[in-house]
Amino acid sequence: GAVVSQHPSWVICKSGTSVKIECRSLDFQATTMFWYRQFPKQSLMLMATSNEGSKATYEQGVEKDKFLINHASLTLSTLTVTSAHPEDSSFYICSSRPGLENSVVSYEQYFGPGTRLTVT
Amino acid sequence: DQQVKQNSPSLSVQEGRISILNCDYTNSMFDYFLWYKKYPAEGPTFLISISSIKDKNEDGRFTVFLNKSAKHLSLHIVPSQPGDSAVYFCAARFGNQFYFGTGTSLTVIP
Repeated sequence: GAVVSQHPSWVICKSGTSVKIECRSLDFQATTMFWYRQFPKQSLMLMATSNEGSKATYEQGVEKDKFLINHASLTLSTLTVTSAHPEDSSFYICSSRPGLENSVVSYEQYFGPGTRLTVT
Repeated sequence: DQQVKQNSPSLSVQEGRISILNCDYTNSMFDYFLWYKKYPAEGPTFLISISSIKDKNEDGRFTVFLNKSAKHLSLHIVPSQPGDSAVYFCAARFGNQFYFGTGTSLTVIP
């Protein structure tokens, strides 16, 4: 299957600092990338949807100024958690969706391995 | 409001027996359903899917059943193997969005 990587896999930062998480689709061009957040024993919660070259669409309740998303190329999207606080500690997962193939929209999405953020 | 629900947080099954994971949803506009498998500290991996126009899809040991009138889908794994032990998420698609359940942790006992 398609490969999506995330970097770093685990990051620990001090409260007030910013952290950037990268999501790369390694073997396909991703016109759409999704960012999810997962709390322990809870579901994956969609944070935002980003399309290459345009602004991300944030879900209700997600602060766009705090969670900056950049989708500068068809293979890379970044999530920057600005001025991180302990309550931002979570498991962040990205997913990518391939673009049009033979005029058929691919609805499948491929997930990255996730990034564990711990804010102290 | 949780539109996709998995009411059983955990399930234990003997190796070789059938595992049945259940998922309920509330939005009748969902048109595509998927099951994902997730190991700790890893991202979900796609397992099997079903379109809303079908009621069954089978792939090897995995079969997904969809009951639209009951807004219910289930994943059957038979025979269950110890390597199947993981958290299973069901997801439903509406438009450009996927909505996930809270997951069911499956333990297959050797």
